Amino acid sequence: AQSVAQPEDQVNVAEGNPLTVKCTYSVSGNPYLFWYVQYPNRGLQFLLKYITGDNLVKGSYGFEAEFNKSQTSFHLKKPSALVSDSALYFCAVRDSGDDKIIFGKGTRLHILP
Amino acid sequence: GAVVSQHPSRVICKSGTSVKIECRSLDFQATTMFWYRQFPKKSLMLMATSNEGSKATYEQGVEKDKFLINHASLTLSTLTVTSAHPEDSSFYICSAPRGGGVPYEQYFGPGTRLTVT
Repeated sequence: AQSVAQPEDQVNVAEGNPLTVKCTYSVSGNPYLFWYVQYPNRGLQFLLKYITGDNLVKGSYGFEAEFNKSQTSFHLKKPSALVSDSALYFCAVRDSGDDKIIFGKGTRLHILP
Repeated sequence: GAVVSQHPSRVICKSGTSVKIECRSLDFQATTMFWYRQFPKKSLMLMATSNEGSKATYEQGVEKDKFLINHASLTLSTLTVTSAHPEDSSFYICSAPRGGGVPYEQYFGPGTRLTVT
């Protein structure tokens, strides 16, 4: 069965600094990896996904993520953080042999003005 | 883009009553939909897979008789929380995959906030 780990409950970054939100995964087949963002009392918004191809994936709002197979990681990054990036971020994985998407526990990102 | 709606967005009910939450795919058909529950302090848990024309598949630890799922059509799945209790208060989110082949896009509903008093 697939699983996702987000080791940080919260990440604090000063505005303008680069940010990283960590994610590692475990699947038995090939991984399909996703990042979603959630604002208070809202549903999930898709940021980006890795299916195949280039390990560096670019997504919405200037976010990107790097797929690292050897480290089974898919960390979310942004070169310069904005206060408006403050939200709850979820990493998710789908095993190529399964329909289900499994989410990590989420990481709350605080961008400090 | 594809849209998934949920109704109601918020519901307050008394303990012991049942509540139905609808999930609709608005511009595409979905033979499968997924129901998630988001607990306080954020973790998002997959509850069950809703299958059109057949029984839902529940994840381990989810009570089938408590959380009734019916996939009535190719665009509608409903989750009924039966005999609700305060501990059922949560944020419920559905999702629906779109498209054929692998992999396909998953689209998420805006969520339903259930409060049981």
